Amino acid sequence: EVKLVESGGGLVKPGGSLKLSCAASGFTFSSYAMSWVRQTPEKRLEWVASISSGGSTYYPDSVKGRFTISRDNARNILYLQMSSLRSEDTAMYYCARAKTYYYGSSSYWYFDVWGAGTTVTVSS
Amino acid sequence: DIQMTQSPASLSVSVGETVTITCRASENIYSNLAWYQQKQGKSPQLLVYAATNLADGVPSRFSGSGSGTQYSLKINSLQSEDFGSYYCQHFWGTPWTFGGGTKLEIK
Repeated sequence: EVKLVESGGGLVKPGGSLKLSCAASGFTFSSYAMSWVRQTPEKRLEWVASISSGGSTYYPDSVKGRFTISRDNARNILYLQMSSLRSEDTAMYYCARAKTYYYGSSSYWYFDVWGAGTTVTVSS
Repeated sequence: DIQMTQSPASLSVSVGETVTITCRASENIYSNLAWYQQKQGKSPQLLVYAATNLADGVPSRFSGSGSGTQYSLKINSLQSEDFGSYYCQHFWGTPWTFGGGTKLEIK
């Protein structure tokens, strides 16, 4: 069974740091791009970071320079190091597997497997 | 950044009815669109990818359509297990943004 299990969430003060982990099982972790997506208390979904199977990383401007995504292919774990945290970073953080569909000369991305999430609260 | 405008924000429907949710992108996303369903207290689940392709295990009453900037998710003959929230997401260049969501409630 393909499974993603997040951990590491909690309460942190503004300006603080936190490191999230996502343990993957049931598939060849090293072959897939992986991502983090968060859902705010208002239920808005936001893409946070992605890392390719080769280790290239991608971030939206809202977290660039503050968050770092990384992976340990030997242990099948995805990480998200978060620093300089702000109240607007408060959210449920999901780990997701990114998959590509190829049709003709085109490729299409999507998130096909999601974890149950871990909650991050940034508050003094 | 590409903005995804999803409508309606909420919908109250009865079992057996047909529903259409739409997503409009601020520029052409060339069918790089996915739809997700989220039930209360659970994580999002993939329904449709590349605008029209049903994910494995998704019932055939769901269908995705559209091109360019306009996309739709149609649910025929709503079942009780279909109630929840639905989100679209584009994958045409980062940042990969989501629509604001549609909450489907029982009438």
